[in-house]
Amino acid sequence: SSVMTQPPSLSVAPGQTARITCGGDNIGRKSVHWYQQKPGQAPVLVVYDDSVRPSGIPERFSGSTSGNTATLAISRVEAGDEADYYCQLWGTSSYHPGVFGTGTKVTVL
Amino acid sequence: QVTLKESGPALVKPTQTLTLTCNFSGFSLSTTGMRVSWIRQPPGKALEWLARIDWDDDKFYITSLKTRLTISKDTPKNQVVLTMTNMDPADTATYYCARTWANWAFDYWGQGTLVTVSS
Repeated sequence: SSVMTQPPSLSVAPGQTARITCGGDNIGRKSVHWYQQKPGQAPVLVVYDDSVRPSGIPERFSGSTSGNTATLAISRVEAGDEADYYCQLWGTSSYHPGVFGTGTKVTVL
Repeated sequence: QVTLKESGPALVKPTQTLTLTCNFSGFSLSTTGMRVSWIRQPPGKALEWLARIDWDDDKFYITSLKTRLTISKDTPKNQVVLTMTNMDPADTATYYCARTWANWAFDYWGQGTLVTVSS
């Protein structure tokens, strides 16, 4: 089964750039999607297919992949960006399992 | 406008069977490429994908829970149902349904429903 590892937490000052990594064997072979989840709310898609922003997501959110690592970058961080962030992809087995990363709590100082 | 909403019991006893319903609008599961998944999140923990049903009635399950899960759809009613047998306190979680379509990402989510397993 696929395991997608993220740092448990990340602290960033307002106006700086937060970079959240997601490591896994299938990254590079499968598209990675990123979700933002604020307390008590359902997740929201912020990047799909590695680097595409859905309509309504600020340009400050960007995604990239290199080797076995995907990265979500949030530039000019704002207090409202404080949330949990999850990466996700679909596995390569014939069972097509969905896999989420372990999640990263982003704290805005 | 796409919406999804989960419904089901808030409390179930250990060993009981849980039945959750996802009612959706704004799209049809008869559309090619449309898929609905169930995802859960124990309190304070990460998201976990559970199962998926596709427009062509293909079904997929997380390997670790495959023997306990059944996903089905009622296309005319715009519903997807998940049953989970032999519930355990470790299954206490918020359960979400979510849609994927062309880009395979979960682009729309329900609000989630908290299910507590306790005697």
